[in-house]
Amino acid sequence: AQSVTQLGSHVSVSEGALVLLRCNYSSSVPPYLFWYVQYPNQGLQLLLKYTTGATLVKGINGFEAEFKKSETSFHLTKPSAHMSDAAEYFCAVSDPTLKLIFGQGTELSVKP
Amino acid sequence: KAGVTQTPRYLIKTRGQQVTLSCSPISGHRSVSWYQQTPGQGLQFLFEYFSETQRNKGNFPGRFSGRQFSNSRSEMNVSTLELGDSALYLCASSLGGQGNREQYFGPGTRLTVT
Repeated sequence: AQSVTQLGSHVSVSEGALVLLRCNYSSSVPPYLFWYVQYPNQGLQLLLKYTTGATLVKGINGFEAEFKKSETSFHLTKPSAHMSDAAEYFCAVSDPTLKLIFGQGTELSVKP
Repeated sequence: KAGVTQTPRYLIKTRGQQVTLSCSPISGHRSVSWYQQTPGQGLQFLFEYFSETQRNKGNFPGRFSGRQFSNSRSEMNVSTLELGDSALYLCASSLGGQGNREQYFGPGTRLTVT
C-alpha cells in the first residue's frame, strides 16, 4: 500500500532563506508523486509532479523537488523564500487506482 | 481553460439534514474525485467517478454518495448529517488515465453542521 509522511507539521524560515519541506513515501510500485500548495480558504494548487524520467522536477513559483528512489524521498525546495510562499504544502502519491494519498501537510511560515 | 468550480462555497446545515454539493470539472476531463479535509484526519478520499460510473470508493459510510452526469459534472450528497461531517469538501478533476494522474482541485465547499 502507498503512504506519505511529511516530516514537520510546521516550518518557519526567514524571507530570502532556503525552503526545504520533507516528504517520504512508501510504494510497492514505481510512484507518481505530487506537491500541492493550499492558501487559506482555497483549494489545492498543483506545484509539481514526478512521473518518470528526470529525477529533478521543476514546478511553479520557483519550487523544485528531487526524486530519490534509494531514500524514498521527494523533498520540496526553493532557494529563496518569499512572503507569498506562506501556505500549507501537501505531498501526495497516486496509488494504482489513481486516487491521491496525502501526507498530513506542512505549514510554512515566512518571517520578514 | 476555466478551472474546477464548486458550488456552493459555504453551507451551514443542522444535524439530521441532507446536503448536495456540486462540482464542474475542467473541460475535457472525464474523472472527478471528491476528498474530505478536516484538521484531525487531513485529506481523505471519498470516491471517484469516470464517465458516469463510480470507479473507486474510499472508506466512508453509505451516507456519503455521489453521481456524475453525461457532461462530467458531479454531485456529492451527504444524508443524515452528523457534527463530524463538518469539513472542507474538495472536488478534483483529471483526464483519468494511468498516464495522466495529476488532479486539479476546485476551491472547495466549506460545510458546517450545527
